Amino acid sequence: EIVMTQSPATLSVSPGERATLSCRASQSVSSNLAWYQQKPGQAPRLLIYGASTRATGIPARFSGSGSGTEFTLTISSLQSEDFAVYYCQQYNNELTFGGGTKVEIK
Amino acid sequence: QLQLQESGPGLVKPSETLSLTCTVSGGSISSSSYYWGWIRQPPGKGLEWIGSIYYSGSTYYNPSLKSRVTISVDTSKNQFSLKLSSVTAADTAVYYCARQNIVVVPAARLDWFDPWGQGTLVTVSS
Repeated sequence: EIVMTQSPATLSVSPGERATLSCRASQSVSSNLAWYQQKPGQAPRLLIYGASTRATGIPARFSGSGSGTEFTLTISSLQSEDFAVYYCQQYNNELTFGGGTKVEIK
Repeated sequence: QLQLQESGPGLVKPSETLSLTCTVSGGSISSSSYYWGWIRQPPGKGLEWIGSIYYSGSTYYNPSLKSRVTISVDTSKNQFSLKLSSVTAADTAVYYCARQNIVVVPAARLDWFDPWGQGTLVTVSS
């Protein structure tokens, strides 16, 4: 099983600032990685697939990068609605999710 | 706009079988471009893929759950279902259904999930 490790577990950021979230795979997943956003009491929402392609309707302030084992989700200027938990998911070999990063208001 | 809705009992006794159904509206479950998946999330924890099914009935399961999971599809009702047997308290979770993108060339690969249903909490308790 490919283990996905997200860091940090919690990220404290002020509105308007940049947030950088990391996701590491225990072995290469090529670019077969997705990012999701989950708000309390809601289902996850797809943000990014193919490591860097924004899903339909996702604002340009969300960007993804990386390949192989190291990936990054960047939120360029945090808006109030962006405070949430973010998960990465690899789909190169079976399907596994990271443990999540909570982005909270500083 | 495609929507998915989970339904089923919110309380299941230990050792019994958990049964949930996902109803798809606003689109056909018989699309050749997608699989349909189940994912769960224990309270306060992360996400775990359970398994996925194609409209033809082809399935993929998480190896860690495979011995207890059965996913089936009813194209006439635009629904797919999950059965998880011999449940314990560790199976208490919010269960989500979702549409899953697939790639068929050069080899079949299950991809990301979008959209998701709202989720349903299933508690395992006597």
